[in-house]
Amino acid sequence: SQQGEEDPQALSIQEGENATMNCSYKTSINNLQWYRQNSGRGLVHLILIRSNEREKHSGRLRVTLDTSKKSSSLLITASRAADTASYFCATDTGGGNKLTFGTGTQLKVEL
Amino acid sequence: DAGVIQSPRHEVTEMGQEVTLRCKPISGHDYLFWYRQTMMRGLELLIYFNNNVPIDDSGMPEDRFSAKMPNASFSTLKIQPSEPRDSAVYFCASSQAGRSYEQYFGPGTRLTVT
Repeated sequence: SQQGEEDPQALSIQEGENATMNCSYKTSINNLQWYRQNSGRGLVHLILIRSNEREKHSGRLRVTLDTSKKSSSLLITASRAADTASYFCATDTGGGNKLTFGTGTQLKVEL
Repeated sequence: DAGVIQSPRHEVTEMGQEVTLRCKPISGHDYLFWYRQTMMRGLELLIYFNNNVPIDDSGMPEDRFSAKMPNASFSTLKIQPSEPRDSAVYFCASSQAGRSYEQYFGPGTRLTVT
């Protein structure tokens, strides 16, 4: 079964709006990462948040982590059409750089 | 750096044929991962290597699948015999121990078994 479950499964917004995606997981983690996948491409790493961190920023990205609720959220501010992609959370539960990926959120940003 | 290289990018084969997918990780990376992505099952980890040694192959679906890493710059994933349900996109990724655990993905091989 998937360690991470994202919601919503799909999200459609207008350019300039903010997009928020959520990820829930089941077991304790060392860190949680977010990846983006454009159609027909491989995944690209966006940001990593460690289990002892609560919030992290990178450009227009803001990630939060609540280990008590076993959940994380990814906020993309001032979205652009180029942000249209699928977004996945991935959890590192310890040992060997192994990640378990969630089910993904498909984001569509319309002009 | 050229990034993770996979070949072929597309493969169409008939059921029962042997399929070999190839991957060249980023130079200096000591972890290599093989994933399979389908609409139904999402992104699944099949197997991963550390310093060319298989560490966890619990995701390999069955004995028809095998993976090797003869050296630090090359890995193969073989399916023999192939079946239509193996149709998927197969990704190879690599990472470097101690470097934030970020994985770098290749462009994938889209496999279609008819």
